[in-house]
Amino acid sequence: AQSVTQPDIHITVSEGASLELRCNYSYGATPYLFWYVQSPGQGLQLLLKYFSGDTLVQGIKGFEAEFKRSQSSFNLRKPSVHWSDAAEYFCAVEAGGGNKLTFGTGTQLKVEL
Amino acid sequence: GAGVSQSPSNKVTEKGKDVELRCDPISGHTALYWYRQSLGQGLEFLIYFQGNSAPDKSGLPSDRFSAERTGGSVSTLTIQRTQQEDSAVYLCASSLMVVGNQPQHFGDGTRLSIL
Repeated sequence: AQSVTQPDIHITVSEGASLELRCNYSYGATPYLFWYVQSPGQGLQLLLKYFSGDTLVQGIKGFEAEFKRSQSSFNLRKPSVHWSDAAEYFCAVEAGGGNKLTFGTGTQLKVEL
Repeated sequence: GAGVSQSPSNKVTEKGKDVELRCDPISGHTALYWYRQSLGQGLEFLIYFQGNSAPDKSGLPSDRFSAERTGGSVSTLTIQRTQQEDSAVYLCASSLMVVGNQPQHFGDGTRLSIL
């Protein structure tokens, strides 16, 4: 069965600093990969997705992610973090059909002003 | 509305009672999913519906949980004889179809608290 690991439970960055959130997956082939963001009391909002092709994908709110097959990783990046980016971020994979998502445990991002 | 709508947004009930949670998907989306988000287990898939096909119930944690989708649109998740471990946020999502490259759009969830 596929699995997703987000090794960082909490990350704190200063506003304006760069950000990288790590995600590693376990699956025999290339899965479909997603990053979602969740603000308190809200549902999940899709930031970006990778299906195939170019390994660097651009998303909303200035986020991007790079798929690295050799490392089974799909790390999320942003060059300059804004205070409004403080939220919880989830990496997810869909593999094996049925569009069922398997989520990582999430990374809580805190932004210091 | 434009997004996935869930009701109620919060539900508090006593242990042993039955609860019904409602999801109204995005218009035109044929696939509908339920997930549960809890402190101990994170985000877990529960069930999905695709059109008129039989639902995939592989994620339902016990036979106290059931769901139906009427007319290919609105879905209801029912939990019978609620237990304290059922306390969680129940999220509904929809997508155009059940295909991996169709992203899922989530509602804001129902926060269920079992006393």
